[in-house]
Amino acid sequence: SQQGEEDPQALSIQEGENATMNCSYKTSINNLQWYRQNSGRGLVHLILIRSNEREKHSGRLRVTLDTSKKSSSLLITASRAADTASYFCATDGGGSNYKLTFGKGTLLTVNP
Amino acid sequence: GAVVSQHPSWVICKSGTSVKIECRSLDFQATTMFWYRQFPKQSLMLMATSNEGSKATYEQGVEKDKFLINHASLTLSTLTVTSAHPEDSSFYICSAQDYRGQYNEQFFGPGTRLTVL
Repeated sequence: SQQGEEDPQALSIQEGENATMNCSYKTSINNLQWYRQNSGRGLVHLILIRSNEREKHSGRLRVTLDTSKKSSSLLITASRAADTASYFCATDGGGSNYKLTFGKGTLLTVNP
Repeated sequence: GAVVSQHPSWVICKSGTSVKIECRSLDFQATTMFWYRQFPKQSLMLMATSNEGSKATYEQGVEKDKFLINHASLTLSTLTVTSAHPEDSSFYICSAQDYRGQYNEQFFGPGTRLTVL
């Protein structure tokens, strides 16, 4: 079952602005990952944050994790039209259980 | 990075026929592969976990006789949709788990769009 909830479900911004997407989950996790999916395509892995980490950066991406609130955020700075896609968070339970549970996703539209 | 391919990328079939979708890890061996299903504008739902040399583990609510999974080698898993019906039309995505890195990352295929007429 899906445990992740992304917020907002859809986000429309202008090029150059920052985009923030949030994800909440319900059970304990080992890792939380963010993926991007362009329309009708497969998933592209963006970044992974472990349960003992609070913040991670990769290029224009910044991910935070608050395990006490069971939530994560993905910030894309200086957005570009090419960032238009759906963004999903996915959690895994760790140990031998690497099954991923995906959130519902946020559809980001970056207008040129 | 690790590459996973799927074949075919899209398929249209008549109701009642069976369709086979292949998932291959191209440059690494994957003892575990996963099959997901995605309906339009929705998230990915895990259907089953495919382990090389053993029976697949299906998620609750997924009919194992409907969705046959065969993980015959360390680089190939197949999903066969048997007696397909229009409600089986969906985007099917596989992923392969790579144990070589610091964590067991899943690498996703590009997906297969199935349309059942």
